[in-house]
Amino acid sequence: EIVLTQSPGTLSLSPGERATLSCRASQSVSSSYVAWYQQKPGQAPRLLIYGASSRATGIPDRFSGSESGTDFTLTISRLEPEDVAVYYCQQYDSSPRTFGQGTKVEIK
Amino acid sequence: EVQLLESGGDLVQPGGSLRLSCAASGFTFSSYAMSWVRQAPGKGLEWVSAITGSGGTIYYADSVKGRFTISRDNSKNTLYLQMNSLRAEDTALYYCAKDNKGGYNYAYTDVWGQGTAVTVSS
Repeated sequence: EIVLTQSPGTLSLSPGERATLSCRASQSVSSSYVAWYQQKPGQAPRLLIYGASSRATGIPDRFSGSESGTDFTLTISRLEPEDVAVYYCQQYDSSPRTFGQGTKVEIK
Repeated sequence: EVQLLESGGDLVQPGGSLRLSCAASGFTFSSYAMSWVRQAPGKGLEWVSAITGSGGTIYYADSVKGRFTISRDNSKNTLYLQMNSLRAEDTALYYCAKDNKGGYNYAYTDVWGQGTAVTVSS
């Protein structure tokens, strides 16, 4: 089973700042089969990024994804108040699909 | 508009059974794999089970294998999760989720329902 480790656990930033969320895989994830989901308080998760760097339909371009080896990154270029949420990475390269433990993004 | 509406969550005693349903609309149901993902109170997401669009191939997390059964009725656009031998650790919000293609391999979830709550307690 591929273990995904997200860091930091909590990110507290001011509006307009850049948020960088990390997701490290315990082994190689082939062909960038990593997705990122946003879960706002009291809501279901929403797909943000798939294939490590492709934005889902309707997702603002301030959200971007990248990868470097077994390290995957979600970047929010200019944080807005509505971005307060928990963000999860997931690998869908092998079964079982696994999620990271989540990074909580707060506004200062 | 793609919609997934879960139902069937309830309070059940340890060792009991429950069947969850997920009514799908707004897309060709049989063309897409479907999954169940759960979230224990205050915790993260855990993938539970998946079924291909045809229903021919099924996958389970080790934590539920032998106790849970996923199925689908493509004529009714409905996904099911039969949950037996329930334990306290199965307490969670259970989400129905649509994958982006018919097969399970290399597919990701692109739409989520709002969830149905299962509580296992005496």
